[in-house]
Amino acid sequence: KQEVTQIPAALSVPEGENLVLNCSFTDSAIYNLQWFRQDPGKGLTSLLLIQSSQREQTSGRLNASLDKSSGRSTLYIAASQPGDSATYLCAVVTLNRDDKIIFGKGTRLHILP
Amino acid sequence: EAQVTQNPRYLITVTGKKLTVTCSQNMNHEYMSWYRQDPGLGLRQIYYSMNVEVTDKGDVPEGYKVSRKEKRNFPLILESPSPNQTSLYFCASSPLPLAGLTDTQYFGPGTRLTVL
Repeated sequence: KQEVTQIPAALSVPEGENLVLNCSFTDSAIYNLQWFRQDPGKGLTSLLLIQSSQREQTSGRLNASLDKSSGRSTLYIAASQPGDSATYLCAVVTLNRDDKIIFGKGTRLHILP
Repeated sequence: EAQVTQNPRYLITVTGKKLTVTCSQNMNHEYMSWYRQDPGLGLRQIYYSMNVEVTDKGDVPEGYKVSRKEKRNFPLILESPSPNQTSLYFCASSPLPLAGLTDTQYFGPGTRLTVL
């Protein structure tokens, strides 16, 4: 059964620093991996989607990488800003899971002004 | 504006009183799904639908029903709510590629349900 883990559960960094959020998954037979942002009490916003054939995706200050063989993905945030404070979740769709999407529990990020 | 809408956004009810949470999307997506989010447990899938009249169980379907009579709507039905169904519920939709698997998911704003 696919399991998705995000470590750390919470992270505080000073404004302006570059940071990396981690996501690991146990079954490497994935269709895609997606990073989401969730603000308190709000819905999820898709940030980046990486297909299984891709190594990375970039959007502005965000860069997501995927290493299927090791079951890992990272979300790199450059020059962090207080507005980046949110919970970041990764989710995978596994090839043999009948289209079910499995989420990690998220990393709660706080950028210190 | 492309969006997924849910109603109501907040609901307090009592044990056993049937309720329906509506979900609607205007993007002509084939795939729709319901999730619940609980502290310490993360997001868990309740039901999903690949297209009209096609629904399937997710990881935590007990106590819930869904229907997909129209492409744009995917209501979540709690026939007899119980306190353990107190949670934050999200509806999501996605286009369905030819491979039959999901792509980018678009989420609704969430429905906070409290069952007393």
